[in-house]
Amino acid sequence: GAVVSQHPSWVICKSGTSVKIECRSLDFQATTMFWYRQFPKQSLMLMATSNEGSKATYEQGVEKDKFLINHASLTLSTLTVTSAHPEDSSFYICSAVSRAKNYGYTFGSGTRLTVV
Amino acid sequence: AQTVTQSQPEMSVQEAETVTLSCTYDTSESDYYLFWYKQPPSRQMILVIRQEAYKQQNATENRFSVNFQKAAKSFSLKISDSQLGDAAMYFCAYRSAMSGYALNFGKGTSLLVTP
Repeated sequence: GAVVSQHPSWVICKSGTSVKIECRSLDFQATTMFWYRQFPKQSLMLMATSNEGSKATYEQGVEKDKFLINHASLTLSTLTVTSAHPEDSSFYICSAVSRAKNYGYTFGSGTRLTVV
Repeated sequence: AQTVTQSQPEMSVQEAETVTLSCTYDTSESDYYLFWYKQPPSRQMILVIRQEAYKQQNATENRFSVNFQKAAKSFSLKISDSQLGDAAMYFCAYRSAMSGYALNFGKGTSLLVTP
């Protein structure tokens, strides 16, 4: 079946540094990638939507200069948290959608980010 | 904007029994999809079941079935013969073309399965 590899699975970084999270579709082309954020014991909140070769569309309240999303190819999308602060600590999940797979969703395994 | 409401933060069921998780949604659209996802402690999102709004027949996947009431905007999940492995967070989700195909999730229901 479809697989999305998300790395790293967990990362600890110092306040003020940047962290890049990668999501790679292994056996299909991801037409669209959704990025979600999940705080402990809460739901998944959509941060942004990215289509290959286009600028990402951010949800209201999400700082696009802080959360940089790149979807340069049909198999790779990245989320970079710039100048991370402790309040950015969260669980980040990507979800790929493929036209070829009838728009079914494939989720990455998530990245737990801790900013100290 | 569409909203998805799960009114049960926690539910408990005994092994082999049946449990129903509630979900209601608010939309003005006629063409949409509804989903139930399971998130175990590993936090990997797992699709449980999916329902197209234009289909009147309730979706079924083995021990999992839904009660889709379109007029009432209700989409409950029934788990039959509950197993210990069913313990997880369950999220109801909504998707339509107008939402750009992004999933809109409810707050989730934590299901505990007791032996």
